[in-house]
Amino acid sequence: GDSVTQMEGPVTLSEEAFLTINCTYTATGYPSLFWYVQYPGEGLQLLLKATKADDKGSNKGFEATYRKETTSFHLEKGSVQVSDSAVYFCALSEWAGGTSYGKLTFGQGTILTVHP
Amino acid sequence: EAQVTQNPRYLITVTGKKLTVTCSQNMNHEYMSWYRQDPGLGLRQIYYSMNVEVTDKGDVPEGYKVSRKEKRNFPLILESPSPNQTSLYFCASSPRGRGYPDTEAFFGQGTRLTVV
Repeated sequence: GDSVTQMEGPVTLSEEAFLTINCTYTATGYPSLFWYVQYPGEGLQLLLKATKADDKGSNKGFEATYRKETTSFHLEKGSVQVSDSAVYFCALSEWAGGTSYGKLTFGQGTILTVHP
Repeated sequence: EAQVTQNPRYLITVTGKKLTVTCSQNMNHEYMSWYRQDPGLGLRQIYYSMNVEVTDKGDVPEGYKVSRKEKRNFPLILESPSPNQTSLYFCASSPRGRGYPDTEAFFGQGTRLTVV
């Protein structure tokens, strides 16, 4: 079955540091890839997505590129802020044929803490 | 405002006492899901529904029931809760895909359930 593996956490950085959170996936077909973010006490919200190979998703200074050859979708940000402290989830959704129904397969989540 | 509303946010109960967690969305989405979030495991799908009166098991359905009598509501029922169901639960909804699974899922704020 489908699976998503994220780098072990937690990750602790100083403000303005460079961030990378690794994500690799296993899928039988051709999935869409997502990064979701969960701020303390809140539900998950979509951060960015990519639907085909070499697509780059970007939002709020975060970027991730869909790499089919390495089955990866690593999240990067050039300069993190304290407000980026959250849990980040990599996820995939695979077309089940006909009309997709939106099941997400998640990685285990990476806790990011940014200090001033 | 487009949103997914779960209630209650926090619940402590005793083993064997039936409970229901409600979920409602105001976006007219066809698809709704329940996930549980556990440390180190990410989010795992419990049940999903593709439309009214259409539900199916996800990856971890044991001990749970759901119903979809109206499009907007998707309650999660624990008939006889046990301590291993202590977890953080999320309801999510998404619109029908148009042939590929790139649609965004919208999440509720979560219900933290403790079974003692």
